[in-house]
Amino acid sequence: DVKVTQSSRYLVKRTGEKVFLECVQDMDHENMFWYRQDPGLGLRLIYFSYDVKMKEKGDIPEGYSVSREKKERFSLILESASTNQTSMYLCASSFYRGGNIQYFGAGTRLSVL
Amino acid sequence: SQQGEEDPQALSIQEGENATMNCSYKTSINNLQWYRQNSGRGLVHLILIRSNEREKHSGRLRVTLDTSKKSSSLLITASRAADTASYFCATDRGSTLGRLYFGRGTQLTVWP
Repeated sequence: DVKVTQSSRYLVKRTGEKVFLECVQDMDHENMFWYRQDPGLGLRLIYFSYDVKMKEKGDIPEGYSVSREKKERFSLILESASTNQTSMYLCASSFYRGGNIQYFGAGTRLSVL
Repeated sequence: SQQGEEDPQALSIQEGENATMNCSYKTSINNLQWYRQNSGRGLVHLILIRSNEREKHSGRLRVTLDTSKKSSSLLITASRAADTASYFCATDRGSTLGRLYFGRGTQLTVWP
């Protein structure tokens, strides 16, 4: 089974802190994604990556950056956390020859105080 | 931006009844997918239907696709309390690069 692991299920940070959310997948997938999910707004794509060291902005990249130094790991960075970044963050990966079916991690619920 | 738009936003039924959720989209697609999300968890892929397919079955799930109307439906037959979850449709907008565009989802509640 494909496994996508997010480093934390719950995280509490202070305003202004630099926050790292880590995601690791074990299926050698080319594509990896970071979403945030807020009530009533569905899933919004923050960043995605097609390959190592490649990144593309999604719909809401402001206030975030990403890093993909190894194929299996995709990190989301909040440079200076703000209260409006309190949300559920979901990581996903996909294999392009598999119809681009996305496999999701369990999510990280981040609270910024 | 959202691609799929599911309706209804919320659906409440009794165990044993069938649940039907709909999804509309606006662009051409290669395939359409349905996902399920239990409360507070990640999404899980349920089924993929290609643009040249009209209907697909998987267990108690039946998905239809009408590309002329740019719409899809997900039918869950003989619903169980364990089917309580949010259901999302997702399309690729005709791209093969991997990005999916999700709707806002239908919250299904199945009462025992």
